[in-house]
Amino acid sequence: KAGVTQTPRYLIKTRGQQVTLSCSPISGHRSVSWYQQTPGQGLQFLFEYFSETQRNKGNFPGRFSGRQFSNSRSEMNVSTLELGDSALYLCASSLGGGANGNTIYFGEGSWLTVV
Amino acid sequence: QKEVEQNSGPLSVPEGAIASLNCTYSDRGSQSFFWYRQYSGKSPELIMFIYSNGDKEDGRFTAQLNKASQYVSLLIRDSQPSDSATYLCAVIRNNAGNMLTFGGGTRLMVKP
Repeated sequence: KAGVTQTPRYLIKTRGQQVTLSCSPISGHRSVSWYQQTPGQGLQFLFEYFSETQRNKGNFPGRFSGRQFSNSRSEMNVSTLELGDSALYLCASSLGGGANGNTIYFGEGSWLTVV
Repeated sequence: QKEVEQNSGPLSVPEGAIASLNCTYSDRGSQSFFWYRQYSGKSPELIMFIYSNGDKEDGRFTAQLNKASQYVSLLIRDSQPSDSATYLCAVIRNNAGNMLTFGGGTRLMVKP
């Protein structure tokens, strides 16, 4: 059974540019969440999508956005990149529902460096 | 007060010993509790989750949950050098979908 697939794995962008990251969840999983991990702030929740609807949103500026497609694949976009956006971006996949017993798996992540 | 707190460590244990990792949380409405292991430069790997009071065992790992005291712990028996990593505690609060709130992680070092 394939795991959570994130692309691209590594990328370098320039300040002011925008970036799109992609996540394919485990087959059958309908919930996709995105997290940002930095050495200073740790793992922080960005947003969660379930059945193409944003269900939860973290405390990030509007430059961070996402969407989910009918096949549960998800993309996140960061516009007007800042140096502080350099981080590991992680996608998490779950069956959904939020009920007890949902296992949540992470992809390998996308390493973004902003220069 | 942080929502999920962990001692950053490092916690150093000798090979073969029991490593005990602790986590406290502030929201009494938290429902599900997860432990992840993260090696340097890698993504978090799910070890186990628990949502009922008591113990849950999986191989060398035992998660313990005490909702009254608002803490969850992870015991690693027969610790191996390959267990050296950062262990992340995460909780899902009530009505929060699958939104994980993470602690800062505890760095574990298992010495041969």
